[in-house]
Amino acid sequence: SAVISQKPSRDICQRGTSLTIQCQVDSQVTMMFWYRQQPGQSLTLIATANQGSEATYESGFVIDKFPISRPNLTFSTLTVSNMSPEDSSIYLCSVDDSHYGYTFGSGTRLTVV
Amino acid sequence: GDSVTQMEGPVTLSEEAFLTINCTYTATGYPSLFWYVQYPGEGLQLLLKATKADDKGSNKGFEATYRKETTSFHLEKGSVQVSDSAVYFCALRMVDYKLSFGAGTTVTVRA
Repeated sequence: SAVISQKPSRDICQRGTSLTIQCQVDSQVTMMFWYRQQPGQSLTLIATANQGSEATYESGFVIDKFPISRPNLTFSTLTVSNMSPEDSSIYLCSVDDSHYGYTFGSGTRLTVV
Repeated sequence: GDSVTQMEGPVTLSEEAFLTINCTYTATGYPSLFWYVQYPGEGLQLLLKATKADDKGSNKGFEATYRKETTSFHLEKGSVQVSDSAVYFCALRMVDYKLSFGAGTTVTVRA
């Protein structure tokens, strides 16, 4: 299965600032996904990132708040912009790993103060 | 749209007890089904999967069978250990390759 390196693993940020989360995959993958897991909740899909095109955002998520880059088939970033305490969550990237299933990064635990 | 409904928790068990977590799905066609586990402070790990009706996924003593007639994918383990304490998520792959997750079930196993 693919191996995903996600960083940072955790951060504490001031409100109004931005944080960029990186995911590096050890193989080329077509589709990468970004999820948010609010405290004690399930995972909610933020967007799908495809190489060479704009990310596709789910209802309730917008590009200005969560800009995504996908410069090649092994890397993607998610930025959480103009943060507020409500953005405190775990953010995870994921790839569709063909026959194996979906592999997830270890997550970024974000606290906004 | 396609979705899964998962038994709410939390579930507390004694070691060596039998564990069942119910999961049912609503989907057009025949989606792939997954169980993921999240140990405290960690990311998600794939526990098992099934891609078609009557498939049985198994891993680490856990099993789940894809039942088309009851649209279910219940997770079972015959004898749980303290190390099985975690949050378990049922998930379904939709036609556009996105995953839809259940609410998660927190399982605590006491020694």
